Amino acid sequence: AQRVTQPEKLLSVFKGAPVELKCNYSYSGSPELFWYVQYSRQRLQLLLRHISRESIKGFTADLNKGETSFHLKKPFAQEEDSAMYYCALSANSGNTPLVFGKGTRLSVIA
Amino acid sequence: KAGVTQTPRYLIKTRGQQVTLSCSPISGHRSVSWYQQTPGQGLQFLFEYFSETQRNKGNFPGRFSGRQFSNSRSEMNVSTLELGDSALYLCASSSGTGQNTIYFGEGSWLTVV
Repeated sequence: AQRVTQPEKLLSVFKGAPVELKCNYSYSGSPELFWYVQYSRQRLQLLLRHISRESIKGFTADLNKGETSFHLKKPFAQEEDSAMYYCALSANSGNTPLVFGKGTRLSVIA
Repeated sequence: KAGVTQTPRYLIKTRGQQVTLSCSPISGHRSVSWYQQTPGQGLQFLFEYFSETQRNKGNFPGRFSGRQFSNSRSEMNVSTLELGDSALYLCASSSGTGQNTIYFGEGSWLTVV
């Protein structure tokens, strides 16, 4: 069975400080990993996916198959980054449902 | 283009009643998925429809059902509502093939009293 764990419910950082949101997964095959973000009063939206290997809004995430992790990082947090972040896994890109972690609320303090 | 649209946005039902929620996917998308979001359990997958056929199903009781129409619009139904069914129900659409992006609607807030 697939499982996604986000160990932190809440993460508070000061503006300009580095951010790392942790995500660990459990899956025996080759998963596709995603980060979704939900800003206040907005819908859930895709932030980035590991196959794209791109940086969105300054965030990056690297899939570490050895540690089964997909941590989200940003070198300098901004107040507008405050949101709920969800890590998600798909066993087979496009054709299988997403398994979500419980989410981490990021609060960036000015 | 228009995003995923869900109706109604908010509704209150009584235990034992049934409810139907509707979802209009992004134009051209053939896959529609439904998720339940609660504070305790987070986001949990209910089912996915692709070209009017249920392609994937989560671990929910048979009281939860869905369907998809030829225009890709989808409905989900919950019968014999229980207090624990109170949740945000999210619909998501995608092309359903290849490495596609899944887009979410704003959700339907269901309160069972």
